[in-house]
Amino acid sequence: DVKVTQSSRYLVKRTGEKVFLECVQDMDHENMFWYRQDPGLGLRLIYFSYDVKMKEKGDIPEGYSVSREKKERFSLILESASTNQTSMYLCASSSRGLGQEQYFGPGTRLTVT
Amino acid sequence: DQQVKQNSPSLSVQEGRISILNCDYTNSMFDYFLWYKKYPAEGPTFLISISSIKDKNEDGRFTVFLNKSAKHLSLHIVPSQPGDSAVYFCAAMRRGSARQLTFGSGTQLTVLP
Repeated sequence: DVKVTQSSRYLVKRTGEKVFLECVQDMDHENMFWYRQDPGLGLRLIYFSYDVKMKEKGDIPEGYSVSREKKERFSLILESASTNQTSMYLCASSSRGLGQEQYFGPGTRLTVT
Repeated sequence: DQQVKQNSPSLSVQEGRISILNCDYTNSMFDYFLWYKKYPAEGPTFLISISSIKDKNEDGRFTVFLNKSAKHLSLHIVPSQPGDSAVYFCAAMRRGSARQLTFGSGTQLTVLP
């Protein structure tokens, strides 16, 4: 079974803090993704990576950066957290090729106060 | 502009009856479609998918129908069970996109015993 783990289930940070969200997958997947989920908006793609040290912007990259130094690990960084970044953050991974579905982690509920 | 739309935020169905969840898309470059199911405090899990070369895919109680001319897909669950109560997300993937998914906003399905 594919396993995607995220470093924290719940996180509370103050405005202006630097925040790191970590994601690890154990299936040797090439692709990794970061989404945020907000009520009424579904899942929106922040960044993705299709190889080590490679990254691409998704639909809402502003205020975020990412790092992928190892194949199994993909980090999301909030350089200076703001209250509008309060959300559920979901990491996913998939292998290359048509039709390869994405496998999701359990999510991190981030609250910025 | 939302490229994948789920216009019904919620749906209630009696146990044993059919649940029909609908999804519309606008981008004709999408060539693969997926349905995910999400329980509270968990990440989405893959349910069923369909390629644009097909118009139907079935897996047990779940069937997905694709109408390309109408840019519409639907998920049928029959018979519905209380354990099917969850948020269902429709997602689409386009050619040459490094397997990015575009998600709809989700439909909360409640199956009443």
